[in-house]
Amino acid sequence: ILNVEQSPQSLHVQEGDSTNFTCSFPSSNFYALHWYRWETAKSPEALFVMTLNGDEKKKGRISATLNTKEGYSYLYIKGSQPEDSATYLCAYDYKLSFGAGTTVTVRA
Amino acid sequence: DAGVTQSPTHLIKTRGQQVTLRCSPISGHKSVSWYQQVLGQGPQFIFQYYEKEERGRGNFPDRFSARQFPNYSSELNVNALLLGDSALYLCASSLAFATNEKLFFGSGTQLSVL
Repeated sequence: ILNVEQSPQSLHVQEGDSTNFTCSFPSSNFYALHWYRWETAKSPEALFVMTLNGDEKKKGRISATLNTKEGYSYLYIKGSQPEDSATYLCAYDYKLSFGAGTTVTVRA
Repeated sequence: DAGVTQSPTHLIKTRGQQVTLRCSPISGHKSVSWYQQVLGQGPQFIFQYYEKEERGRGNFPDRFSARQFPNYSSELNVNALLLGDSALYLCASSLAFATNEKLFFGSGTQLSVL
């Protein structure tokens, strides 16, 4: 069983502020690291898939970095907006072992 | 284009019963994966099917089974239901069987076992 840890479990952000959170995974036998956003009453939506050490991906105000040697990925949200409120899941390995997620609440 | 569709959306069963959950992937997607999500935890991998063949199985008992049809739709069956099987069951489709393929999720089936 591969352990994927996400921290923090939850965070509250003031609208306009930037934030970041972490996904940690085993650094051996790396395949790919996925980030998904899961809004309440919706389906999880893919944000990024990263495969190479040092990868950086960006989608609007959201970006992610990957360090496969030390086994972590950061997700950054710049200038948080209320619509960014969601649970952000990371997933690792070909069977996609998911972390428990970081729930972000953006306060207006 | 239609996304991943799952049916039913909600289901209530009693212990010992059997249940079948259905999933239709996005048109053109040949891989379907099933996940179980319990509140407070991330989705747990149950099965992956690609081209009608099982390509991966998670740490679930033999009471859980699945299949994929020629049109790439899929069914997840759970026999002898236990209270602990109560969860949201998510189906996801992808174009192919590869670790760098994005998954496209359905809205899930909420199963309650009483």
